[in-house]
Amino acid sequence: GENVEQHPSTLSVQEGDSAVIKCTYSDSASNYFPWYKQELGKRPQLIIDIRSNVGEKKDQRIAVTLNKTAKHFSLHITETQPEDSAVYFCAASPYGQNFVFGPGTRLSVLP
Amino acid sequence: EPEVTQTPSHQVTQMGQEVILRCVPISNHLYFYWYRQILGQKVEFLVSFYNNEISEKSEIFDDQFSVERPDGSNFTLKIRSTKLEDSAMYFCASSEFLTGGNEQFFGPGTRLTVL
Repeated sequence: GENVEQHPSTLSVQEGDSAVIKCTYSDSASNYFPWYKQELGKRPQLIIDIRSNVGEKKDQRIAVTLNKTAKHFSLHITETQPEDSAVYFCAASPYGQNFVFGPGTRLSVLP
Repeated sequence: EPEVTQTPSHQVTQMGQEVILRCVPISNHLYFYWYRQILGQKVEFLVSFYNNEISEKSEIFDDQFSVERPDGSNFTLKIRSTKLEDSAMYFCASSEFLTGGNEQFFGPGTRLTVL
């Protein structure tokens, strides 16, 4: 089955700097890769996603890149703000099946 | 904006007792899911449900677990005889289409504590 790894497990950046979180997956059948943000005690919320027919997607300060050959995808947050502090989960979804989540990255944006 | 809702927000139970966690998915969604998240760990898939039957389940979803859509709006997860290791946050999610291409919307979760 699918296995998703995520690095780093914790990340601290200064406000205004960029943050990059990387994930790898094992199942070449996976074709949908969402990123969820989870604030303390709250539900995971989708922040961006990418499908396998696209290499990059951007939404304001957030971007995701996908390398299908290498089976990895990354989340990029630019101009980080304190409210970006949260746990970020990547996930991979083989078609018709369910999300397999990575272990999460705790991002702290220091003022 | 419509949201997935879950009740209760927190459930405390004794080991060996049965619990039912309730979810109301977004009304026009057709696919429903249960996930769990042990404190400080990743979100783990339990089961997916479509057209009134289980479409997929994980190894975690053993005979102690069952799901049901008893009416047109609710989606429930039952744990027949709870164990200490069932203590976790349980999230319900729903999506409009197959997960291969569409967002899953998560509910706020039910924190289950087994004593």
